[in-house]
Amino acid sequence: KNQVEQSPQSLIILEGKNCTLQCNYTVSPFSNLRWYKQDTGRGPVSLTIMTFSENTKSNGRYTATLDADTKQSSLHITASQLSDSASYICVVSGSGYSTLTFGKGTMLLVSP
Amino acid sequence: GAVVSQHPSWVICKSGTSVKIECRSLDFQATTMFWYRQFPKQSLMLMATSNEGSKATYEQGVEKDKFLINHASLTLSTLTVTSAHPEDSSFYICSARGPGTILTLNEQFFGPGTRLTVL
Repeated sequence: KNQVEQSPQSLIILEGKNCTLQCNYTVSPFSNLRWYKQDTGRGPVSLTIMTFSENTKSNGRYTATLDADTKQSSLHITASQLSDSASYICVVSGSGYSTLTFGKGTMLLVSP
Repeated sequence: GAVVSQHPSWVICKSGTSVKIECRSLDFQATTMFWYRQFPKQSLMLMATSNEGSKATYEQGVEKDKFLINHASLTLSTLTVTSAHPEDSSFYICSARGPGTILTLNEQFFGPGTRLTVL
């Protein structure tokens, strides 16, 4: 069964600090992995997308890594801002037009 | 590019009434759109896949007669919640499969969501 597990479930950090969110998946065959940011009451917005051949992808203060061998990904947020407070969702796509597998997300709260 | 809109952004209705939610791809054509439901602190759950010009494909456990989906054009899909009940209250999110590339195949662009509250 395809699964995506994220940790931690929630996280509180002080403004300006860095943090790393984790994603483990068992989706096979694997095509690509995406990280989304979802603000409360809004739809998910794409941060990064990585295929199996990519190890890292950056988008501003967001840096995602992917280890296709261990089936693990991380999202590192640098110099956090209050606006980073949101749910971060890891989504894995199998080959072709297969259904996406969603993680439950990590709820991040950046405190002043 | 790749913007998806939803309307309305929130709606409150009485139990037993029907509610229609629209999903539009604003700057690209989407032959396939998806409807998700999200309960508080839960992940998105796929309800159905909507294909332009054909019947929608529903996930197991989703009542197709209750959640009517119409995808009449390449830029518009609608979800109608019929005879809504309080347990249908949720956050409904649509997405549209983008034109993509070989490497970003199956990429979906999400709408902002619609908050439905059934009294």
